[in-house]
Amino acid sequence: DADVTQTPRNRITKTGKRIMLECSQTKGHDRMYWYRQDPGLGLRLIYYSFDVKDINKGEISDGYSVSRQAQAKFSLSLESAIPNQTALYFCATSDLRGNTIYFGEGSWLTVV
Amino acid sequence: GQSLEQPSEVTAVEGAIVQINCTYQTSGFYGLSWYQQHDGGAPTFLSYNALDGLEETGRFSSFLSRSDSYGYLLLQELQMKDSASYFCAGSRGGATNKLIFGTGTLLAVQP
Repeated sequence: DADVTQTPRNRITKTGKRIMLECSQTKGHDRMYWYRQDPGLGLRLIYYSFDVKDINKGEISDGYSVSRQAQAKFSLSLESAIPNQTALYFCATSDLRGNTIYFGEGSWLTVV
Repeated sequence: GQSLEQPSEVTAVEGAIVQINCTYQTSGFYGLSWYQQHDGGAPTFLSYNALDGLEETGRFSSFLSRSDSYGYLLLQELQMKDSASYFCAGSRGGATNKLIFGTGTLLAVQP
């Protein structure tokens, strides 16, 4: 089983709908992250959490929200999806030093 | 500001050596990591340079010069399976450390 699991792996949703991407990890890490990947733009940080009570905005948090339900779970929500949120989304974890990040398999989201 | 720049594409032949450069403009910079991503897959960790100099891991080596704001990933004895995207990522260290990724380099290995 993967150390970092994302669901759903693929999703097509309509503009204006609420969508949640879920992430769970078995590595026992305190730190979790959500990244977005678009062609030619690399990986951009949306939100990150250093422990259950800590939530921080990343580079591109507008239009997104997160919830850290437990040490092992970190979900990303799009409250009202729009087409330019069509992208590949990665959940990731790291240890306290944060220099080595472990990524999930990614969630392809298409907003039509 | 924080930005890491890489060439968008690099092409090399099987068995050759290729160097992928990463230049950055980040204040308070601490270290540089490298990640590999095959098409549509998850990025995976390759190496981390906490200090200036060369780190070697098998066919892959990574170099960092903080005084020059520059690093590179060196891939030797290229194999077809090395065709992938490669990302450098900068870290500022400390209790609030988080990685900022470069835009990535697509490496195409040709027979």
